[in-house]
Amino acid sequence: QKEVEQNSGPLSVPEGAIASLNCTYSDRVSQSFFWYRQYSGKSPELIMSIYSNGDKEDGRFTAQLNKASQYVSLLIRDSQPSDSATYLCAFLNNAGNMLTFGGGTRLMVKP
Amino acid sequence: GAGVSQTPSNKVTEKGKYVELRCDPISGHTALYWYRQSLGQGPEFLIYFQGTGAADDSGLPNDRFFAVRPEGSVSTLKIQRTERGDSAMYLCASSSTGLAAYNEQFFGPGTRLTVL
Repeated sequence: QKEVEQNSGPLSVPEGAIASLNCTYSDRVSQSFFWYRQYSGKSPELIMSIYSNGDKEDGRFTAQLNKASQYVSLLIRDSQPSDSATYLCAFLNNAGNMLTFGGGTRLMVKP
Repeated sequence: GAGVSQTPSNKVTEKGKYVELRCDPISGHTALYWYRQSLGQGPEFLIYFQGTGAADDSGLPNDRFFAVRPEGSVSTLKIQRTERGDSAMYLCASSSTGLAAYNEQFFGPGTRLTVL
């Protein structure tokens, strides 16, 4: 079992819709979770961090964390074509120095 | 302020050659990380520096890989006797502190290494 599981996609949504990206992880002691956006040929860009159970909203983005279910998600409201990218889920190890990434979900927002 | 910078952006080399990849972290960031990303996969951890010392090098795949950060700022990742399997995007990240639960890491643009 991979430490971080993401559906590779592509996930295709129409412009203006809500995109829902999901991630499960195996390390029960993980405390810190991150979502990175990666455009093709570019490096990962941090878009959300979440540390507590529940929801965290930032603009059109909402991260949701459920530690009991070992599940973290990212919702993108009013999706735009410019949101088309690969979204990487990651958790920080207990020592606080290493990110472990999933393989990413490719999102396509169609005009 | 400036983000993490990496040079070169692209490096093409021949099998068996030696390469150096450079990373300049965000000013004031004490923690620096190297990751490697193959096509279609997420980044994989290589090594972590806190200040000048390599605090965790558990991700280095073998002894052909070595990294330094002599003055606690710029870091160089060194790969000896390159192999075709070393071809990947090499990413550098920095954070304001290491070993913290709220440790946000910011990535540079990466160096695309191709070994022919």
